[in-house]
Amino acid sequence: EPEVTQTPSHQVTQMGQEVILRCVPISNHLYFYWYRQILGQKVEFLVSFYNNEISEKSEIFDDQFSVERPDGSNFTLKIRSTKLEDSAMYFCASRARLADTGELFFGEGSRLTVL
Amino acid sequence: GENVGLHLPTLSVQEGDNSIINCAYSNSASDYFIWYKQESGKGPQFIIDIRSNMDKRQGQRVTVLLNKTVKHLSLQIAATQPGDSAVYFCAENTSGYSTLTFGKGTMLLVSP
Repeated sequence: EPEVTQTPSHQVTQMGQEVILRCVPISNHLYFYWYRQILGQKVEFLVSFYNNEISEKSEIFDDQFSVERPDGSNFTLKIRSTKLEDSAMYFCASRARLADTGELFFGEGSRLTVL
Repeated sequence: GENVGLHLPTLSVQEGDNSIINCAYSNSASDYFIWYKQESGKGPQFIIDIRSNMDKRQGQRVTVLLNKTVKHLSLQIAATQPGDSAVYFCAENTSGYSTLTFGKGTMLLVSP
């Protein structure tokens, strides 16, 4: 069964360092997302991406964040200068069509710990 | 703003019981709703969805009920099993926007 894969599963970094989280969405999917979940809290939307550009973003997704689809398979989230409050689980998700609203397939997540 | 922290609402049931998990959604313009299950250390997993033109939808052992008047969504799990233990989130969406907005989550604990 096709799945969304994310790397790394866990990254520990120092405050102020740059971090890149990587995702490989399901191959025929067109819409890509990043969500984050602070420990014990709800899943929060960060950004959606379609046709090589950001389609929506939340207030959380400030200038420190960026996304990129550098090739035909990878979808990355970059945090330029990490802060303590960026510590969270980051989930990548994808779906085939906008109409498939519910069938958002999530990866297993990348846990980011900022010290 | 909201801060659930570690204090997730928790529902504890015995194996074989029926479980009902509730969710209040926020946006009256939302017209599509989804329930997700999240097991420890994993990403959310789609369970069942419902559109606003319906008030009930059934799946395998699960039923979703939608009350648009009071903006309330519920998930019923029949004959709950230990494998159902997880955190359950409702999510809402508005047509034309791809973003899903997640609710706070409820932890379901099933005892054998």
